[in-house]
Amino acid sequence: DQQVKQNSPSLSVQEGRISILNCDYTNSMFDYFLWYKKYPAEGPTFLISISSIKDKNEDGRFTVFLNKSAKHLSLHIVPSQPGDSAVYFCAASPKTSYDKVIFGPGTSLSVIP
Amino acid sequence: DVKVTQSSRYLVKRTGEKVFLECVQDMDHENMFWYRQDPGLGLRLIYFSYDVKMKEKGDIPEGYSVSREKKERFSLILESASTNQTSMYLCASSPQNTGELFFGEGSRLTVL
Repeated sequence: DQQVKQNSPSLSVQEGRISILNCDYTNSMFDYFLWYKKYPAEGPTFLISISSIKDKNEDGRFTVFLNKSAKHLSLHIVPSQPGDSAVYFCAASPKTSYDKVIFGPGTSLSVIP
Repeated sequence: DVKVTQSSRYLVKRTGEKVFLECVQDMDHENMFWYRQDPGLGLRLIYFSYDVKMKEKGDIPEGYSVSREKKERFSLILESASTNQTSMYLCASSPQNTGELFFGEGSRLTVL
């Protein structure tokens, strides 16, 4: 049973518009949440994170929102660029072991020029 | 430029063969990990290590073992490869208590 879920396997967005990638989790022990980005034939790279004591974290065009009561987080990319086309993995780690990171199945984002 | 290097990008092995996947990091990180990536399943943790000679099972350790004799090197071993171990294997490292992983480029293993 997946503890981190990304229910949209793929998403297409026009260049310049907002991309919203969603993630749900089931384990209430998760305390730290991360997004990773993966291009084909490369390893994933860390993008942005958020601690459970916050509800929003922003880094340039990327913002992550956390709704703890709903066990839901989302990644917003504004404006979307063709170079953002990649697979995005949502990930979480528990307060008992920040090092043990659990990943979701990923969402493939295509930004259309 | 910091790096996690995996020894082989592509391997083809036969059922029953022993397979070694090597990973080296140059960032002096305490933690090292092995994940496998499969379509629709994301990245699943096989084993991880907090320190030299220390290992802990992840979510799918069956059929795998690991070795960490030096801080910078973490090896994944398939004692007797099976076709269901055909996958992309990703090594990662991280400093302690961050969850921010640095990944290698991956090793795509095909078991025939």
